[in-house]
This record gives sequence, C-alpha cells and structure tokens, in this order.
Amino acid sequence: EAQVTQNPRYLITVTGKKLTVTCSQNMNHEYMSWYRQDPGLGLRQIYYSMNVEVTDKGDVPEGYKVSRKEKRNFPLILESPSPNQTSLYFCASSVSGRANEQFFGPGTRLTVL
Amino acid sequence: AQKITQTQPGMFVQEKEAVTLDCTYDTSDQSYGLFWYKQPSSGEMIFLIYQGSYDEQNATEGRYSLNFQKARKSANLVISASQLGDSAMYFCASWGSAGGYNKLIFGAGTRLAVHP
Repeated sequence: EAQVTQNPRYLITVTGKKLTVTCSQNMNHEYMSWYRQDPGLGLRQIYYSMNVEVTDKGDVPEGYKVSRKEKRNFPLILESPSPNQTSLYFCASSVSGRANEQFFGPGTRLTVL
Repeated sequence: AQKITQTQPGMFVQEKEAVTLDCTYDTSDQSYGLFWYKQPSSGEMIFLIYQGSYDEQNATEGRYSLNFQKARKSANLVISASQLGDSAMYFCASWGSAGGYNKLIFGAGTRLAVHP
C-alpha cells in the first residue's frame, strides 16, 4: 500500500529534550516536506527536500532541522524543543518538486511542557 | 505573497442538502493550482479535489465540485447531498510561483457540521 508513515503519532516531552519525528514514504517520491498545523493558521511549511541531500527552508524553519540521507526518509529534528513548538506535524511527499498531489502522513501530535 | 482566505470559520448544513465552502486566493501568477483537503476529527489530511489554473472545466470528484471563478479569484468547494460523515475541517490550498512551487499555501480552514 502506498503510504507516508510518521512516528511517533503522539509525543509529550519537556523543554530542551532533543527529539526526532521520523517520516518514511514507499512511493519513491523525490519531494518531501514537513508542515505544522496550528488553530486558525492552517498548515505552514517548515522544511522541504527536492531530493537526497537537497533541503531548503519553508516559512517557519526556526527551531527545526531536517536531513535527507535516503530518498524514502525525511526526519524532523527538534534539538531543543520549546512550548511554542507544541503543534500537529505532517509529513508529505509527492512525485516531483511541484506541490501538486502531495500525499500526507497521518500526523504527529507533539506537546512540549 | 500568495494568500488563501477562507472567510467561514464554521458552517452548518442539514443532511442531504448541498453546501458551499468559500475560498478566495490572491496571486499574480498565470500558472497555479488549487486544492481542497478534508480533515476529520481523527486528524489525517484527505485530498478531495484539484483545479489547475489553465483548466477550463470546473473540477468534479463524486459529490465534490470546485466552482472556479478565475476573474474573481475564487475556488469554492460545493458538496452535494451532504452526509453525516462530511462533518470535518476543510482546507483550501494553493501552489504557485509567488508562494513557491515547492509548498502548499493553506487557508485557515472551515469547520463543517452536518446535522441529521
């Protein structure tokens, strides 16, 4: 089954404790992206990747890191999480660099205390 | 910068009736794409329908249709014969060169409640 998977689905952590949210797709997509969703703001892009070893900032990259060492994986790293990073996070992938036909993962709900 | 506006924070509709969810976009691009996604209470993002700026016909997918009015820069979602399972958050989104071809720009969303 073609899908984008994220882990963990739910995470409660404390300020400053490094964490990684994994994202993996099995569709051989070149393009992957991370979004965060906050009430009243819709989804906003954090980082995206056009291919292996190619990443770039989105609209809200502060406090986040990403890497793309393999085509299928695009982890999101929070080196020192803060409460304002409490949010619902989505990973997405698509065939090409265009944003059309993005497939979304199930989401990761993160709470930073 | 590209911007999506959804002016209806919440909508109510009776089961089996049609409902229109509004979306306006702000772009100077000639080439762009418009999407609608559904987000049920379980949280996942479900793709509903897509309209390209050069598509002359309004997009349709089953009970969903997109009322695309290019001159007015509107891309309203029409759900015909509403069902209880349509109760969800609905997001309008777009891509284009001003906002970046590599990301979707989302509106704030409209919460739809379908009553029996």
